[in-house]
Amino acid sequence: DAKTTQPPSMDCAEGRAANLPCNHSTISGNEYVYWYRQIHSQGPQYIIHGLKNNETNEMASLIITEDRKSSTLILPHATLRDTAVYYCIVRVEGYSTLTFGKGTMLLVSP
Amino acid sequence: NAGVTQTPKFRILKIGQSMTLQCTQDMNHNYMYWYRQDPGMGLKLIYYSVGAGITDKGEVPNGYNVSRSTTEDFPLRLELAAPSQTSVYFCASSSTPYREGSGNTIYFGEGSWLTVV
Repeated sequence: DAKTTQPPSMDCAEGRAANLPCNHSTISGNEYVYWYRQIHSQGPQYIIHGLKNNETNEMASLIITEDRKSSTLILPHATLRDTAVYYCIVRVEGYSTLTFGKGTMLLVSP
Repeated sequence: NAGVTQTPKFRILKIGQSMTLQCTQDMNHNYMYWYRQDPGMGLKLIYYSVGAGITDKGEVPNGYNVSRSTTEDFPLRLELAAPSQTSVYFCASSSTPYREGSGNTIYFGEGSWLTVV
């Protein structure tokens, strides 16, 4: 069973910020939060990950709540090419397997 | 940068046939994985390997076999193909884990589309 909960779909206008939420209420102390995305017919692509501090890279920002029970992926200026399924994943400590749920289908429209 | 390479990209099998999906990575990663993704669903882990000579079952291993004779290669074998194995298969790899204070990312191949008829 996936350890995260995400909305099945979201819409965003091109150029606006896309905020994708994720609940992971059972996360344990040493587990990281990872975000991946999958554009149609391609393999999943790593976006960002974090433990407890907010993180930012060239693709996105990750905001993790203080209690670590939820997080938000922010795409600051969404483009049509950001249309994809976004997966929020909690990484189990000790080995590198990742459990993928159904993710959020983000549709960016003109 | 080749990364993770899977072959074939597309394949149609008849029920009862066998085949091997090939996967190779050039990043010297110890960890390798096979996932399957059914239409509209997330990825499910079939098998994984933590290093040459070591493999372990994931969530949905039935009907599949793997081997890991080298660090680079992690082939997935389908014996007696069934329609339920129609899916997209992704191979992935990641570097040796776990260091305190860091995570590691996982790199995926482009997928192999398999249809069993």
